[in-house]
Amino acid sequence: EVQLVESGGGLVQPGGSLRLSCAASGFTFISYSMNWVRQAPGKGLEWISYISSSSRTIYYADSVKGRITISRDNAKNSLYLQMNSLRAEDRAVYYCVRGEGGSYGMDVWGQGTTVTVSS
Amino acid sequence: YELTQPPSVSVSPGQTASITCSGDKLGNKYVCWYQQRPGQSPGLVIYQNSKRPSGIPERFSGSNSGNTATLTISGTQTIDEADYYCQTWDSSTVFGGGTNLTVL
Repeated sequence: EVQLVESGGGLVQPGGSLRLSCAASGFTFISYSMNWVRQAPGKGLEWISYISSSSRTIYYADSVKGRITISRDNAKNSLYLQMNSLRAEDRAVYYCVRGEGGSYGMDVWGQGTTVTVSS
Repeated sequence: YELTQPPSVSVSPGQTASITCSGDKLGNKYVCWYQQRPGQSPGLVIYQNSKRPSGIPERFSGSNSGNTATLTISGTQTIDEADYYCQTWDSSTVFGGGTNLTVL
């Protein structure tokens, strides 16, 4: 079964850091580009970062650029998101998502991990 | 780049629902659509404007021309009640604001 399982979410104080992880299984992880997409409570989807299969190409949304770092370990079938200088507005469910995001879209989504930023 | 969707659409069971997504010269880009049922993760229902991933019912179809892409659900069922998001790529991935489809 193709599966993405996120972990690492939780409660963090403003200005704090958090590292999210995503474990992939059921497919050849090294062959796929990956993304992080977040959804604030009661709001829509917001794409925040993309990494190509080889890690050679990385993109960030302007809203998080400079505060987050996406990475992957193909040997461990894992995707990561390091988040620093967290703000209240970063509170959201963070989804690990497979796909280019272009014409083929993003075809596999994890169940999400919740990040809450509060003092 | 911005994609604009109506906040809500209502349809009666068995009828056809149309959800629009507007953007500048959107017809020159590829559009995908995602369904998010309450409490669930999103799922891809249309890619490359009009293609359905494996397992998506034939009642889901898509089109894209001019400045507007449209997701059409024929013979809408109560299980289709969900939020729907359009998505395209313009230097980065862009989502529309989402449309809540009510079936009643």
